Amino acid sequence: SQQGEEDPQALSIQEGENATMNCSYKTSINNLQWYRQNSGRGLVHLILIRSNEREKHSGRLRVTLDTSKKSSSLLITASRAADTASYFCATVFNDMRFGAGTRLTVKP
Amino acid sequence: SQTIHQWPATLVQPVGSPLSLECTVEGTSNPNLYWYRQAAGRGLQLLFYSVGIGQISSEVPQNLSASRPQDRQFILSSKKLLLSDSGFYLCAWSRSVSNTEAFFGQGTRLTVV
Repeated sequence: SQQGEEDPQALSIQEGENATMNCSYKTSINNLQWYRQNSGRGLVHLILIRSNEREKHSGRLRVTLDTSKKSSSLLITASRAADTASYFCATVFNDMRFGAGTRLTVKP
Repeated sequence: SQTIHQWPATLVQPVGSPLSLECTVEGTSNPNLYWYRQAAGRGLQLLFYSVGIGQISSEVPQNLSASRPQDRQFILSSKKLLLSDSGFYLCAWSRSVSNTEAFFGQGTRLTVV
């Protein structure tokens, strides 16, 4: 069964704008990860945040984690058309479980 | 460097036929291995998870099975496919230590007709 739930399901923005995606989960975690998937391809890892961390940055990506609310957010700043993809959060405790994803469209 | 191979890329099979999807990992030892299924436009459903040879956890009781005959080989099988088995199947691996990322194969698109 899936663990995380992303919100929104779909997001459409203009190039240069920021994109924020949220993830909620239900059980304990060791870490939470965000992945990107281009249509019909495998997933690519973006960033990992441990359960004892609250915020992490990687380039134009910023991830926050609130374990008390069991939620995480992914912020992509200064978006580009090439950022168009589906984004998934994954929670890891023993195994790794994914949410339904957010479909991001960045219009040039 | 580590690589993951998953094949075939696409597969069309008739209802009732058997299935065998293979995934192999190179460049690492004792990886955690995963099989996921993704319906069109949906998230990934965890099917099987393995931490070692012969150690497989099944998440979904259905007509699929998995085996790990070698440390870096993970096989997804079915004796008789159903229409509902159609989907995009993804294999992934991660290191056995905690707090590490997973690496995905390119996936197999299975259409059962």
